[in-house]
Amino acid sequence: EVQMVESGGGLVQPGGSLRLSCAASGFTFSSYWMTWVRQAPGKGLEWVADIKQDGGEKYYVDSVKGRFTISRDNAKNSLYLQMNSLRAEDTAVYHCARGLRIRSEFDIWGQGTMVTVSS
Amino acid sequence: DIQMTQSPSTLSASVGDRVTITCRASQSVSNWLAWYQQKPGKAPSLLIYKASTLQSGVPSRFSGSGSGTDFTLTISSLQPDDFATYYCQQCNSYPITFGQGTRLEIK
Repeated sequence: EVQMVESGGGLVQPGGSLRLSCAASGFTFSSYWMTWVRQAPGKGLEWVADIKQDGGEKYYVDSVKGRFTISRDNAKNSLYLQMNSLRAEDTAVYHCARGLRIRSEFDIWGQGTMVTVSS
Repeated sequence: DIQMTQSPSTLSASVGDRVTITCRASQSVSNWLAWYQQKPGKAPSLLIYKASTLQSGVPSRFSGSGSGTDFTLTISSLQPDDFATYYCQQCNSYPITFGQGTRLEIK
């Protein structure tokens, strides 16, 4: 079964850091672009970051540039999001998703992990 | 950034109705437009990509059309399972952007 499972979310104070993980299974992880998309409580979807199959290209939404870093370990079939200098507006469910190419639609999604930034 | 605007924001309809949701881009995205369905507490599910291509496993009552800046998602005959929130997404250029969502509710 093709699936992705996120972990690492939780409650963190403003200015703090958190590292999210996404474990993929059931497909050849190294063949796909991977993405993080977030959804604030009661709000819509916001694309956060993309990473190429070999990690050689990365793209970010402006609001997280310089604070978040997307990475992957193809040997472990895992995607990561290192989040630093967290702000209240980063509070959201973070989903990992699979893309078929650069700037792709996303055909497989994880259920998400909740990140709450609050003092 | 390309802004995606969906209308309406909320749509009330009955089982069996034909419904249409519109998505407008602030500049041309060619046919790089996808549609998703999301139910409460669940991840989004891809319905249509490249404006009109039905994702594998999606019922044929869903269809998409349009190009450039104006797109539509049509459900030909609403089923109980279709009451959900729908999002459009442009994948023509970075940053990838989504519409604000259309909530489809039971009349």
